[in-house]
Amino acid sequence: EAGVVQSPRYKIIEKKQPVAFWCNPISGHNTLYWYRQNLGQGPELLIRYENEEAVDDSQLPKDRFSAERLKGVDSTLKIQPAELGDSAVYLCASSPGQGVLSGANVLTFGAGSRLTVL
Amino acid sequence: SQQGEEDPQALSIQEGENATMNCSYKTSINNLQWYRQNSGRGLVHLILIRSNEREKHSGRLRVTLDTSKKSSSLLITASRAADTASYFCAPNQGGKLIFGQGTELSVKP
Repeated sequence: EAGVVQSPRYKIIEKKQPVAFWCNPISGHNTLYWYRQNLGQGPELLIRYENEEAVDDSQLPKDRFSAERLKGVDSTLKIQPAELGDSAVYLCASSPGQGVLSGANVLTFGAGSRLTVL
Repeated sequence: SQQGEEDPQALSIQEGENATMNCSYKTSINNLQWYRQNSGRGLVHLILIRSNEREKHSGRLRVTLDTSKKSSSLLITASRAADTASYFCAPNQGGKLIFGQGTELSVKP
């Protein structure tokens, strides 16, 4: 079974340019998360989806960040325009959501997309 | 704000020794999870302990949870060089997992 797939793995852009990251979660996983991880820090939650609905986007900087999860499967995270401080690793994770292990929310992470803004 | 805070921030031990990492959190939880991250990789789930459990074992891992103190600990016994990684606790509040800064563990052969 394929894990959580993210692309691109690395992206270098100049400030003020747009960038987009793509995530394909594990098949059947209803919950999808986007996290941002700065060097030496823990992952910071940006947005959480239950199917196609964003149930928690309180930490998403909405002036420049946007996300979507069409049909409740793949998701994209976009930054426009990028700033120097956006350099980080963007992690996507998915979990089964409610089910046999109701409320467990064990996350499977992708390898991440490392963004460098120059 | 961070829900989980790990202590110590860094830990260096010799192979064969035990490693203990602590986690404190602020609000009520459904469960608490521990994850591991090797350099340049995504996080990998290690173990989950439910709010009504006090201790759980998985191989060389032992996790404890004290909900009255809002704290948890992760013990890795008989450590190996391959255990070198960052370890994060993630208190789960209604499906929302908030990670701390992690403990960077270095196991020297």
